[in-house]
Amino acid sequence: AQSVTQLGSHVSVSEGALVLLRCNYSSSVPPYLFWYVQYPNQGLQLLLKYTSAATLVKGINGFEAEFKKSETSFHLTKPSAHMSDAAEYFCAVSYNTDKLIFGTGTRLQVFP
Amino acid sequence: EPEVTQTPSHQVTQMGQEVILRCVPISNHLYFYWYRQILGQKVEFLVSFYNNEISEKSEIFDDQFSVERPDGSNFTLKIRSTKLEDSAMYFCASSDRGRNYGYTFGSGTRLTVV
Repeated sequence: AQSVTQLGSHVSVSEGALVLLRCNYSSSVPPYLFWYVQYPNQGLQLLLKYTSAATLVKGINGFEAEFKKSETSFHLTKPSAHMSDAAEYFCAVSYNTDKLIFGTGTRLQVFP
Repeated sequence: EPEVTQTPSHQVTQMGQEVILRCVPISNHLYFYWYRQILGQKVEFLVSFYNNEISEKSEIFDDQFSVERPDGSNFTLKIRSTKLEDSAMYFCASSDRGRNYGYTFGSGTRLTVV
């Protein structure tokens, strides 16, 4: 079955440290991949998307993600964490249908 | 920046009652979606809607659910006879060009069935 796995339900980093949130997908066909962020009491905001163009995708708020087909991964990174980055992050994938399949989410905490 | 607006933000209803969750998508968007997130669980796809008809629905979207775009601006999700397990956050989303370009989500309606 097509799915997406986010390793680590909670990630904690210090302010200024590298953020790495992991996402792996399972698919036999090329996927479209997305990262969404959810701040408390808010909806899901699109951070970035991969739609078969450049494998390194830059998004909002300094985040980027790299599509690695050989590793079936689409990890989200940010060189330097900011306190305002604390939120829940969701990786999502879509294939040949009109729906997104979400991962279970990773809660990012940023400590001063 | 254009937003998807959902009302109400929180609704409490008794089991067996009908509820209608309302959404106002971004005005020039053509594709509409409902997702839900049960507390502590994944965000799950319910239904997609395009050109005034359902284009895809999940196994969750059974006969007790229906969607409608009654007036060209609103997009509603109706649950005919609510169950305790329908308690969740329901998100509406819209897109101007479909899934490949990402959606804009609303901030959600928290439905509590008691």
